[in-house]
Amino acid sequence: KQEVTQIPAALSVPEGENLVLNCSFTDSAIYNLQWFRQDPGKGLTSLLLIQSSQREQTSGRLNASLDKSSGRSTLYIAASQPGDSATYLCAVNTGNQFYFGTGTSLTVIP
Amino acid sequence: DAGITQSPRHKVTETGTPVTLRCHQTENHRYMYWYRQDPGHGLRLIHYSYGVKDTDKGEVSDGYSVSRSKTEDFLLTLESATSSQTSVYFCAIKANADTGELFFGEGSRLTVL
Repeated sequence: KQEVTQIPAALSVPEGENLVLNCSFTDSAIYNLQWFRQDPGKGLTSLLLIQSSQREQTSGRLNASLDKSSGRSTLYIAASQPGDSATYLCAVNTGNQFYFGTGTSLTVIP
Repeated sequence: DAGITQSPRHKVTETGTPVTLRCHQTENHRYMYWYRQDPGHGLRLIHYSYGVKDTDKGEVSDGYSVSRSKTEDFLLTLESATSSQTSVYFCAIKANADTGELFFGEGSRLTVL
C-alpha cells in the first residue's frame, strides 16, 4: 500500500523567507503527484499537479519538483507572505486512487 | 473549480440514526470519491465511483454505503451513525482530462452525539 509522509508537520517562518515543504512516498509507480492548500474549515484547493514524466511545475511563487525514483517531492514557496499560512498536503495518484500525506501546517509571521 | 456541491454542509445527529450526504457535480466527470478527514489521520478514502452504478470500497468503508444512480450525484450513507463517524467528509472528483487532477468540495461536517 502506498504510504505518503510529509515532514515537518508544522513550520513557522518570518515573512519574506523562502521555504521548502517535503513529501515522500513509498511506491514510485505513480501517475502524478498533486499539492493542495487547505485553510481552516475549508476544502482542499489544488496548487500544482506534476505528471510522473515531469520533473517540476511552477505557478507564481510556487515551484513543485518530483523525483519519482527516490519517492520524493518538494514544494518551494518563494518570498513567503502571511496569506500563505495554511496546511499544505500532497497526494499521489496510483491510477484510480489517491493517497494523501497528513500535511504541513505553515504559519508565516508578519 | 469543478462545480462540486456538498450537502448538508453541517449536520448534528444522534447515534443510531441514518444519515445521507450528497455530492453533486455539474461537469460530467466519471470518477467521484468520498473521503473523511480526522486529526492525526489525514484524508482517508471511504468509497469511490467510476461510473453510474459502479462503485468500490476504500480503506475505511465499514459502516458506510454509497450509491450513484446519476453521473452528477454520489451519495454517502451512514446506515446507523456512531460517534466514531464524527468527522469532516469531503467529496472529490477526478477531472476527465488527461491530467487526472483531483478537485474537492467544501466538505460536510458531521457530528454524531
